[in-house]
Amino acid sequence: KQEVTQIPAALSVPEGENLVLNCSFTDSAIYNLQWFRQDPGKGLTSLLLIQSSQREQTSGRLNASLDKSSGRSTLYIAASQPGDSATYLCAVSSGANNLFFGTGTRLTVIP
Amino acid sequence: NAGVTQTPKFRVLKTGQSMTLLCAQDMNHEYMYWYRQDPGMGLRLIHYSVGEGTTAKGEVPDGYNVSRLKKQNFLLGLESAAPSQTSVYFCASSLIGRGTDTQYFGPGTRLTVL
Repeated sequence: KQEVTQIPAALSVPEGENLVLNCSFTDSAIYNLQWFRQDPGKGLTSLLLIQSSQREQTSGRLNASLDKSSGRSTLYIAASQPGDSATYLCAVSSGANNLFFGTGTRLTVIP
Repeated sequence: NAGVTQTPKFRVLKTGQSMTLLCAQDMNHEYMYWYRQDPGMGLRLIHYSVGEGTTAKGEVPDGYNVSRLKKQNFLLGLESAAPSQTSVYFCASSLIGRGTDTQYFGPGTRLTVL
């Protein structure tokens, strides 16, 4: 069974800092990897989706990379803002109609 | 365009009671999903549907039933609620399945079973 791990569980950074969130998965046979954002008491919002054939995806200040062979992905957030404070979830699709989620990294950006 | 909506937002049940959670999407998506989110665990798939009239089991289906009578609606039922079903339930939908495209999530239903 696919296992997805996110480290650290929580992270606090001062405003303006660049940061990296990490995601690792145990089975490299994946269709894609997605990064989601979850605000307290809210649903998930998709940030980036990387297909298995891709190495990275960018959206604004966000850049996600994928190294399928090593089972790792990173989400890079440039020039962090207080509005970036949320929990970031990584999810992997292994081809069936199921996403395997990590437990998330709770990010706090301090003004 | 409301996206994915869930009813109700909160609910408290006593052990043994039944209830139905409603999910609706207005994006004409074929695939719909029910997940549960528990502290310290990632979201886990309960059931899913690949189209109107179809349902299939996910990772943790025991104690739940689902129905997809209309393409835009996906219902999750608890016939006899147990404290272990205390959780936050999320519905999601996607245009194409097999994890190949983005899933759009509803705001969640927080269920407490006493």
